[in-house]
Amino acid sequence: GAVVSQHPSRVICKSGTSVKIECRSLDFQATTMFWYRQFPKKSLMLMATSNEGSKATYEQGVEKDKFLINHASLTLSTLTVTSAHPEDSSFYICSARDYRAPNEQFFGPGTRLTVL
Amino acid sequence: DQQVKQNSPSLSVQEGRISILNCDYTNSMFDYFLWYKKYPAEGPTFLISISSIKDKNEDGRFTVFLNKSAKHLSLHIVPSQPGDSAVYFCAATPEGSGGSNYKLTFGKGTLLTVNP
Repeated sequence: GAVVSQHPSRVICKSGTSVKIECRSLDFQATTMFWYRQFPKKSLMLMATSNEGSKATYEQGVEKDKFLINHASLTLSTLTVTSAHPEDSSFYICSARDYRAPNEQFFGPGTRLTVL
Repeated sequence: DQQVKQNSPSLSVQEGRISILNCDYTNSMFDYFLWYKKYPAEGPTFLISISSIKDKNEDGRFTVFLNKSAKHLSLHIVPSQPGDSAVYFCAATPEGSGGSNYKLTFGKGTLLTVNP
């Protein structure tokens, strides 16, 4: 099956610093990757859709300058949380579409971000 | 406006019995539906999906039923096992063909507990 990895799995940082989270499709090429955020006891909230080689499409209410997304290759997308604040603490999950199963998304294991 | 609703935040069943997880949607443009299973601090795992042209899809112990007129779908797990204990998310998309506007809208999830 399609495998998606995320790194790091957990990160703790100080307020004001930037944190980069990587999302990789390990055994397939992902033309589209998605970034989600999950709050405790809440649903997955789509933050942005990332297409390889083009700018990410952000959902309403998501600050593009705060959450920088780069999809430089068919197997890698990165999310950078800039000038992190405690309210950015959350569980961030990426997913990827495999062209062989275009109706499905395969999710990474998630990254727990804690901003002190 | 929540377009995908899972009105039961939790469900508890006995091992060996049937688990029925429900999901309602409001957007009539949705034409492809998916169920994901999620353990704490992990990314969601795809379980089963159904296209709007069908009313039932079965995969082993998992069966998804779709009632388009009622905008309702359900996931049946028979027989339920303790390892099935997790949060189950219902998701929907209006781009069943995996087109450029494809993205998933998730419900808030239902925590299933299967008691031995």
